[in-house]
Amino acid sequence: EADIYQTPRYLVIGTGKKITLECSQTMGHDKMYWYQQDPGMELHLIHYSYGVNSTEKGDLSSESTVSRIRTEHFPLTLESARPSHTSQYLCASSFDRDYGYTFGSGTRLTVV
Amino acid sequence: GQQVMQIPQYQHVQEGEDFTTYCNSSTTLSNIQWYKQRPGGHPVFLIQLVKSGEVKKQKRLTFQFGEAKKNSSLHITATQTTDVGTYFCAGGGFKTIFGAGTRLFVKA
Repeated sequence: EADIYQTPRYLVIGTGKKITLECSQTMGHDKMYWYQQDPGMELHLIHYSYGVNSTEKGDLSSESTVSRIRTEHFPLTLESARPSHTSQYLCASSFDRDYGYTFGSGTRLTVV
Repeated sequence: GQQVMQIPQYQHVQEGEDFTTYCNSSTTLSNIQWYKQRPGGHPVFLIQLVKSGEVKKQKRLTFQFGEAKKNSSLHITATQTTDVGTYFCAGGGFKTIFGAGTRLFVKA
């Protein structure tokens, strides 16, 4: 049973389009994260939030932005998609910084 | 900055053989977490170790946390085809840092 939901699951979009990847969790977790992962490769942290109105950039330079207006919702926006953005985007949440993460099923993005 | 190194990058085993992946940190960790990601799936939390020298078991999986809290290992006894996937460690500290993962391939 998934407690963290990502939509869409798959997305194919043209270069230059603006897109928003949705992530919602029902666990009341304060900590939320966005990771970028190419198939079979390591996880790259691109954004994180420790609570409402708190957002930080991660270790991987990204042209995306995030917002955290509500505890349960942490959307990621790409203002102008490029082929280099083709990847899987994983959202995760945790009860606290030193607790295990729950990951969503991911959004597989293809920019053509 | 804090780094978490994981080895090996890949491991091919025959079904029934044992498998071990190792995780090493450049700094002392507050905890270590382990995740499994099946091909095409997302990482799933397996376990967290907190205490120095801690050992935990989950069926055929044995997790260890080093005495200095800088290294950890995951050992799978008698691998099965269902063990296929990528195993990630994640070191907890000021920030949780994920290792690059070990991809396990199991030949039936």
